[in-house]
Amino acid sequence: EVQLVESGGGLVQPGASLKLSCVASGFTFSDYWMSWVRQTPGKTMEWIGDIKYDGSYTNYAPSLKNRFTISRDNAKSTLYLQMSNVRSEDTATYYCTRGWGGDYWGQGVMVTVSS
Amino acid sequence: DIQMTQAPSSLPASLGDRVTITCRASQDIGNYLRWFQQKPGKSPRLMIYGATNLAAGVPSRFSGSRSGSDYSLTISSLESEDMADYYCLQSKESPFTFGSGTKLEIK
Repeated sequence: EVQLVESGGGLVQPGASLKLSCVASGFTFSDYWMSWVRQTPGKTMEWIGDIKYDGSYTNYAPSLKNRFTISRDNAKSTLYLQMSNVRSEDTATYYCTRGWGGDYWGQGVMVTVSS
Repeated sequence: DIQMTQAPSSLPASLGDRVTITCRASQDIGNYLRWFQQKPGKSPRLMIYGATNLAAGVPSRFSGSRSGSDYSLTISSLESEDMADYYCLQSKESPFTFGSGTKLEIK
């Protein structure tokens, strides 16, 4: 059974940094591109970016490229999202998904940016 | 960026109804269109990929179609478990973009 389990969310102050993790199981992690998607409290869905199966290539939404970094550790079957200089508009539920189009999604992790 | 215009935003319907949700792409996306279902408090579930292909385990009352730049998700006979939010996603060109969502609710 494919499972994606995110962690690392919580309440963070504006301007701070935060790193989210997503542990994958039930499939060969190193065979798949992986993505991050977020959903705002108003339910708007936004694609953040993705990473090639070997970690050699990443692609980002232009509006987030300068502050967010996606990485992976295939030995640990773990996907990461490093968020820096966070803003109130980054408040959302963050999902890791398998592949470009999200054939499987994690349960999501909430990030709240507030002072 | 490719814009995905999804309609309606809200769709009241009765059990047994045939319902259709539509997304219009601002540029050619071929068949790189997916539909997701999201129930309250849950993560999205892939329903349709490649515009017309049913994902594994999805009931056959769901179907996807394409007419030019318009993509549709149809439920042939609405069941109570289908009440949820639905989103389209284009994965033709980065940045991938979602529709704004449709809330399917009981009339």
